[in-house]
Amino acid sequence: QSLLSQPPSASETPGQRVSISCSGSTSNIGSNSVTWYQHVPGAAPKLLIYNNRQRPSGVPERFSASKGGTSASLAISGLQSEDEADYYCAVWDDSVNGRVFGGGTRLTVL
Amino acid sequence: EPQLEQSGGGLAQTGGSLRLSCVASGFNFDSHGMSWVRQAPGKGLEWVSTISGRHDNTYYADSVKGRFTISRDTSKNTVELLMNSLRVDDTGVYYCAKDSSEIVIMMYASGYGMDVWGQGTTVTVSS
Repeated sequence: QSLLSQPPSASETPGQRVSISCSGSTSNIGSNSVTWYQHVPGAAPKLLIYNNRQRPSGVPERFSASKGGTSASLAISGLQSEDEADYYCAVWDDSVNGRVFGGGTRLTVL
Repeated sequence: EPQLEQSGGGLAQTGGSLRLSCVASGFNFDSHGMSWVRQAPGKGLEWVSTISGRHDNTYYADSVKGRFTISRDTSKNTVELLMNSLRVDDTGVYYCAKDSSEIVIMMYASGYGMDVWGQGTTVTVSS
C-alpha cells in the first residue's frame, strides 16, 4: 500500500482536459516537493514535473501541476493520443527516509 | 547528451544473488545522486535505492533494506545494485536513474526529480 494515493484510472477525449490527483500526508507532500512522471509501458519513465509545478525543458505547456497542503495534482490540457500512459507522483517521505511513488494512474485517451 | 546504459539482471532462484550495473555518460557522474526504481509485473513504479552525489550516502526502501546494496565506482562512471537473498516479489523491471540536481541532501534533491533513465533490465526470481 503506497503512502501516496492516486486514482487507478482516468479517461478523457482528445482535446479535453484531465486532472490526476495525488494524496499524501504531512511527512511527504506536506513537507517536500512533488514530482510527476509519465511512463509509457515498455519505455523508460519520463520526468514531467519537478518542484511541484516546474516543467523540464521539452515538456509541453499542456502539462501543469500544483500542490496544496498534503495533496497535489497534475493537469493535462489539449489531450492528445500520445498522452495515453501511466502517470506517477513521487516525493520524499520523512518518516521512511526515502522516496515514495504513488500507485500510478492509467490515462486513456478515448 | 546524458545517457545511462544498464546491464545485468536475468534469472535467479529465491535466496540467490544478482548484480545490476548502470554506466553513465554525458554528465558529471560524481555530482549527481543515482537511484534504482523497479516495476513488478502488473504493478506500479517502486523506488528501491538511492546513492547521493559526492558523499555517497545511501538510502533504501524498507522492502530491500539489509538485502540490497547500492554502490558507485566513479573511476568507471558506474552505479551498481547488488541484490542478495532474492525473493519472488523482487521480480520486475529495474531502472537506474540520475537525479537532475547536484544537491546532496536527498529530501531536497528528490524534489528536482530523476531526469535521465536507463533502458531497464529484467530480474526474474523463481522458487
